[in-house]
Amino acid sequence: KNQVEQSPQSLIILEGKNCTLQCNYTVSPFSNLRWYKQDTGRGPVSLTIMTFSENTKSNGRYTATLDADTKQSSLHITASQLSDSASYICVVSFSGGYNKLIFGAGTRLAVHP
Amino acid sequence: GAVVSQHPSWVICKSGTSVKIECRSLDFQATTMFWYRQFPKQSLMLMATSNEGSKATYEQGVEKDKFLINHASLTLSTLTVTSAHPEDSSFYICSAKTREGPGTQYFGPGTRLLVL
Repeated sequence: KNQVEQSPQSLIILEGKNCTLQCNYTVSPFSNLRWYKQDTGRGPVSLTIMTFSENTKSNGRYTATLDADTKQSSLHITASQLSDSASYICVVSFSGGYNKLIFGAGTRLAVHP
Repeated sequence: GAVVSQHPSWVICKSGTSVKIECRSLDFQATTMFWYRQFPKQSLMLMATSNEGSKATYEQGVEKDKFLINHASLTLSTLTVTSAHPEDSSFYICSAKTREGPGTQYFGPGTRLLVL
């Protein structure tokens, strides 16, 4: 079964600290993996996208890694800011059918001052 | 670039009425648009996929007569929730896939529907 699992479900950190979010997937055949940030009451915004051959991708303070062998990805946030408080969703593209996306349940991050 | 808008951003309606939500790709042509529903603290659930000029493909368990989708052009898709009931209250998000290459999906800001 094609699934995407994220951990932790929720996380609280202090402003300025770093954190790492995890994503494990069983999607096959795999096309690409994306991390999205979703603010409360808003649509998801793309942070990074990685294909099978890429193992790291950065976007400012966000760095995503991908290990296609173990089917794991992580999103590392450096020097967190209050505005980083949001849900972070790992999404894997399933290449077996018209670009279908498999969504993780997300990690809810709260950054406190 | 690659901006997707939705209108309205929120709507409150009485039970039994129909509500139309628009999804537009503002600066690109979208071969395919997707409609998702998201309940509180849950992830997005794909409802249907629509291609311009053809009938939408609905996911299992989604009633096509209740959620009418019209993909009128390469920049506009509409979702109509017919005879809305309180259990239809949710956050509805559309996304649009760019025309070229494998296509990246860009998401709209969402529409919050509350049915009283």
